[in-house]
This record gives sequence, structure tokens and C-alpha cells, in this order.
Amino acid sequence: QVVLTQSPSASASLGASVKLTCTLSSGHSGYTIAWHQHQPEKGPRYLMELNSDGSHTRGDGIPDRFSGSSSGAERYLTISSLQSEDEADYFCQTWGTGIQVFGGGTKLTVL
Amino acid sequence: EMQLLESGGGLVQPGGSLRLSCAASGFTFGSYAMSWVRQAPGKGLEWISAFTSSGGSTYYADSVTGRFTVSRDNSKNTLYLQMSSLSAEDTAIYYCAKDRSGSWSFFDFWGQGTLVTVSS
Repeated sequence: QVVLTQSPSASASLGASVKLTCTLSSGHSGYTIAWHQHQPEKGPRYLMELNSDGSHTRGDGIPDRFSGSSSGAERYLTISSLQSEDEADYFCQTWGTGIQVFGGGTKLTVL
Repeated sequence: EMQLLESGGGLVQPGGSLRLSCAASGFTFGSYAMSWVRQAPGKGLEWISAFTSSGGSTYYADSVTGRFTVSRDNSKNTLYLQMSSLSAEDTAIYYCAKDRSGSWSFFDFWGQGTLVTVSS
């Protein structure tokens, strides 16, 4: 069964860029994932679909400050020109027939 | 505009039951798979159940199999989760989520969640 691994926390300064990582378990490097943002006291928000070749499709209304890339089993979410409202949990998701899998999430702090 | 509005959460005693609802609007509800996902305090997200539109199949995580039942009423654009034999480990915010497809894909829209607290 596929497992997604994320670092628990990350931080970056206002206006800077940050790159978050989601790692697919061995044997699953070809999987497509989705990135989601989860702000406090809100429901999660879909950000983008990210393929193994790095191609990605952002959700409706998601600014191009959010971009995705891939390398092997690693899936990345890069947020540029960080704003205070970007402070949130970011988690990745993948799926198989009969199951949905989430990474543990990365809590992003904007300094 | 798409909306998913969960309701039915609250305080329930251990061993009790509760039914959650998720009212959908702004999209063709019957064309998409729908899931329930929960987040326990201080924990990550846990997928617990899905109801596909293509084939109308239901799926459950091991943690809730035999205790929870998912259903949907496409005429009412509503997804349900009947929960029974609840324990403290079921305390969480419960979200409904729309799948991008009729079967298995990623979630492209989420509700705001409803809090379920299991405590005596």
C-alpha cells in the first residue's frame, strides 16, 4: 500500500519562497498526487493535481504563486511571494481503488 | 458556486450513534464519488468512507468497517454517514469531500466540517 511522507513543519519569511515535499513510498514513484491547503478553522482547500512528470493543474482560483514539480518519488509544492494567509497545514493525497491516502501534513509558518 | 455543508455533529456518549449529513450544491452531485474524511484532535487526515457514483459502490477504512455506513440520496443531493458503536477514538472533525471523478481520484472540493465528540 502506498504511503506518503511529509516533514512535520517548515518556515519561511514573508515574501520569500518555500518548497514543501511529499515522498511516495518505494514502488509508487509513478503516482499522481494532489496538494491541499488546510487553514485553521476552515475546511481543506484543493490546490493542485501533480503528475510524476511534474505537470500540474491548479484548482479554480488558485494563484500561480502555487506551483508543483516532481523528481522520482518526490512531489513538491512551491509557494512563492509568501503571504501571511499562506500560514497553514499542507498535505498531499493519493489514491488507489478502494482507498484514499494522505500524507501527515506539513505545518507552514510564515515568519 | 460549489458548496458542501456538513451537519449532524455533536456530543454523544460512548457506544452511541450519530448520523452526519452533507448537503451538496453547485454541481451535479450524482455524477461524482463522495467521501468522508476525519481529523482527530492533533492528528492528520484519515479517509474513512466513500460512495462512488459509477457503480454505486461503498468503501470503508478498516477503523470504521462494521460500525459506519455511508449512503447517498442523489435526489436530495445529500451524502450521509451513519455512525454507531462510537468510542472516544472517533472524536474528530468530519469532512465530506467531492471526488474529481465518479470513482477514484483526488478530492477537488471539501466541506467545512462538523465536530463529533464522543464522551461521557
